[in-house]
Amino acid sequence: AQSVTQLDSQVPVFEEAPVELRCNYSSSVSVYLFWYVQYPNQGLQLLLKYLSGSTLVKGINGFEAEFNKSQTSFHLRKPSVHISDTAEYFCAVSDQRGSTLGRLYFGRGTQLTVWP
Amino acid sequence: GAVVSQHPSWVICKSGTSVKIECRSLDFQATTMFWYRQFPKQSLMLMATSNEGSKATYEQGVEKDKFLINHASLTLSTLTVTSAHPEDSSFYICSARAPEQPQHFGDGTRLSIL
Repeated sequence: AQSVTQLDSQVPVFEEAPVELRCNYSSSVSVYLFWYVQYPNQGLQLLLKYLSGSTLVKGINGFEAEFNKSQTSFHLRKPSVHISDTAEYFCAVSDQRGSTLGRLYFGRGTQLTVWP
Repeated sequence: GAVVSQHPSWVICKSGTSVKIECRSLDFQATTMFWYRQFPKQSLMLMATSNEGSKATYEQGVEKDKFLINHASLTLSTLTVTSAHPEDSSFYICSARAPEQPQHFGDGTRLSIL
């Protein structure tokens, strides 16, 4: 089975500062990797995904993430955050089953709070 | 982009009643749908996976007679919480997926049992 560790439960940061949300995973097989964002009382919105190819993945809202296989990490970054980025962020992995995406395993989430 | 609609967004009902939550994929055919439960300040807990036209696969510890899942078409899955009690109060989220595509999530349903 897969597992996902989000090392920081809360990350406070000032507006326009850079931010990195950390995610590590453990798996004995190849995986696909995802970051989702959740605003209060809403479902999850896909920020970005790594399926194959370039290890640097760019997503929506100016976010990007880098897949590092040797460190089993998929950290999320943004060079300059806005107050509207305040939300809960979830890292998730899905094991590869041939060409089929398996179920998602979620981390516990990181609450990003951007202060003015 | 892919849109998943979940209804209702909020429901309050008396203990002992049954509640049905709908999950629809609006612009794609969802061969697989997932139902999650989320407690405050926690991650999503997968309850069950359903494939269109077949019985749902429930995760360990989830009562299939308590949480009835029906995936009758490629665009609709329903979760029925039967004889709901206060401990069933939670935020329920569905997601839908087309083959080889990531999951897309609904906006969730906040269920409050009095």
